[in-house]
Parts: sequence; structure tokens; C-alpha cells
Amino acid sequence: AQSVTQPDIHITVSEGASLELRCNYSYGATPYLFWYVQSPGQGLQLLLKYFSGDTLVQGIKGFEAEFKRSQSSFNLRKPSVHWSDAAEYFCAVNTGTASKLTFGTGTRLQVTL
Amino acid sequence: GAGVSQTPSNKVTEKGKYVELRCDPISGHTALYWYRQSLGQGPEFLIYFQGTGAADDSGLPNDRFFAVRPEGSVSTLKIQRTERGDSAVYLCASSLTLAGVTTGELFFGEGSRLTVL
Repeated sequence: AQSVTQPDIHITVSEGASLELRCNYSYGATPYLFWYVQSPGQGLQLLLKYFSGDTLVQGIKGFEAEFKRSQSSFNLRKPSVHWSDAAEYFCAVNTGTASKLTFGTGTRLQVTL
Repeated sequence: GAGVSQTPSNKVTEKGKYVELRCDPISGHTALYWYRQSLGQGPEFLIYFQGTGAADDSGLPNDRFFAVRPEGSVSTLKIQRTERGDSAVYLCASSLTLAGVTTGELFFGEGSRLTVL
């Protein structure tokens, strides 16, 4: 069965600094990969997704992620973090069977001014 | 509205009571999912509907949990004889289906927070 690991439970960065959130997955074939963001009192919002093709994908709010098959990783990056980016970030994998997403445990991002 | 709507947003009940949580998906989305999110955890899959039928209910924890989608739109998650361990945020999501296959991109509602005392 597929699984997703987000090794960082909590990350604090200064506003304007760069950000990288780690995500590793376990699955035998090429999965569909997603990053979602969850702000307090709001639903999960899709930031970006990887299905196939170019391994560097761009998302909303200035986020990007790179799929690295050799490392089974799909790390999320942003060159300059804004205070409004403070939220919980979830990586998820879908095996392409059109049924369910498997989520990681999330990384809580705190942004200091 | 344009998004996934879930009601109630908050539900407090007593142990042993029956609870229903409702989800109204995005219009035209034939795929509907229920997830459960406990404190400090990522969402965990419960059940997936394609149209009116449950295509995958492997995530339902036991037979106290049941979900229906009788007309292929609104879905209700039903929990019988609630236990304190059922306390969580229950999330609903929907997805577009193209040529019988979902796009894999899920749109989530804000969730129903269930507290069992």
C-alpha cells in the first residue's frame, strides 16, 4: 500500500526567507502527487499536483514542487515566504486508481515577522 | 455556492447517540469522498462514491459507520452508537469525472467537527 511521510512536524521561517517542505512517498509505480494547504477554519486547498511530464510543477501562491523519482520525493518550495503562508501543509499520493488520496501527517508552518 | 458544502459545521453529542453529517458536492462532480481528520493527523480515507454507489468503503472503521448518496449528489455520513474516539473533523470532497475516470484533484469542504462527550 502507498504511504506518505512528512518528516517535519513543525517549521518556523522568517518572512521573506525561502521554504522547503519535505515529502517522501512509498509506491511501486509513478504516483499522482499533490500538495494541499489547510488554514485555520478553512478547508483543504490544492496548491499543486504532479501527474506526469515535467518534474517541476508550479502551483498557486508562488509555490512549486519537484518530483524526484530516484529519491521518491516531492518537496514543496517557495522562494520568499509571506506571513499569510502560515498554515498546515499536507502532501498526498493517489495511485491513479481514481479512488482515494493517502495523506501525510502534515507540516505546520509558522512565519515570524 | 460553488464549493463543497458540509453541515453541520460543529456537532456535539453524547456517547451512544446517532449522528448524521451532510455533504453537498460541487455541481457536476460525480465522485464524492469522505475523510476523517483527527487532531494532529492528516485526513484518513473513509469511503468513495462514484455516482450513487460506494466504489470503495475500505476506510470505514467498523459497522457503526455508514454513508449513502441516494441520488448521486448529496451524501450523508451516518454514525451509530457514537464513541468518544469518533471525535474528529469529518471532511467531504468531490472530484470531476472525465470518461469514467476521476481527475484525481479533490475539492474539500470545510468539514464537520464532531465532538462526542
